[in-house]
Amino acid sequence: QEQLLESGGGVVPPGRSQRLSCVGSGFTFSEYGVHWVRHVPGQGLQWVAVIWYDGSRKYYGESLEGRFTISRDNSRNTTDLQMDNLRVDDTATYFCARDFGRGFYGMDVWGQGTTVIVSS
Amino acid sequence: DIQMTQSPSSLSAAVGDSVVITCRASQTIRKYLNWYHQKSGQPPRLLIHSASSLERGVPSRFSASGSGTEFTLTVANLQPSDFGTYYCQTGSPLPRFGGGTRVE
Repeated sequence: QEQLLESGGGVVPPGRSQRLSCVGSGFTFSEYGVHWVRHVPGQGLQWVAVIWYDGSRKYYGESLEGRFTISRDNSRNTTDLQMDNLRVDDTATYFCARDFGRGFYGMDVWGQGTTVIVSS
Repeated sequence: DIQMTQSPSSLSAAVGDSVVITCRASQTIRKYLNWYHQKSGQPPRLLIHSASSLERGVPSRFSASGSGTEFTLTVANLQPSDFGTYYCQTGSPLPRFGGGTRVE
């Protein structure tokens, strides 16, 4: 079935970097955009970034561009999120999600998430 | 930037009840509105897309309506699996989620 699987979470000190990865299976990965969305318990969902199916366009949530970089490798069915200069308030569970391709943005397939804890 | 405001932020309900959740956009988003349900420790699940279209596999007790700036999600005959947090999300020009409504 259609699946996404994230990896790369962990505990990281403030100011350091972390790279998350997401691999897709069960569908033609190169035909879909991919989002990263994060969840802080008690604070809801925050959209982080999207990359178009061919990597031609990338967009970021408020205040994240410049620290976060999204990329993809369609030959390996993967999307990565490079997070630099991490802050304590970046602590969250990070989900990758497939864009549903209906002419506006939405997410129809989600991974189980990977947790990043920014702490000294 | 478009702001999405959900109300209420939380509500108490019992199995068999009907609940209504409202989502307001700070400017018109036509029908570019999706609804998700998230249970603790799980990823969100897409319920409704395009303001009122039921995602495949989602039970018909979920319904939604609205356009422009005012949207509603109705869950009829609440089941134990329906508890959790509901989010609206606009998909244009970029994704933005509402603050969530916790159903407990």
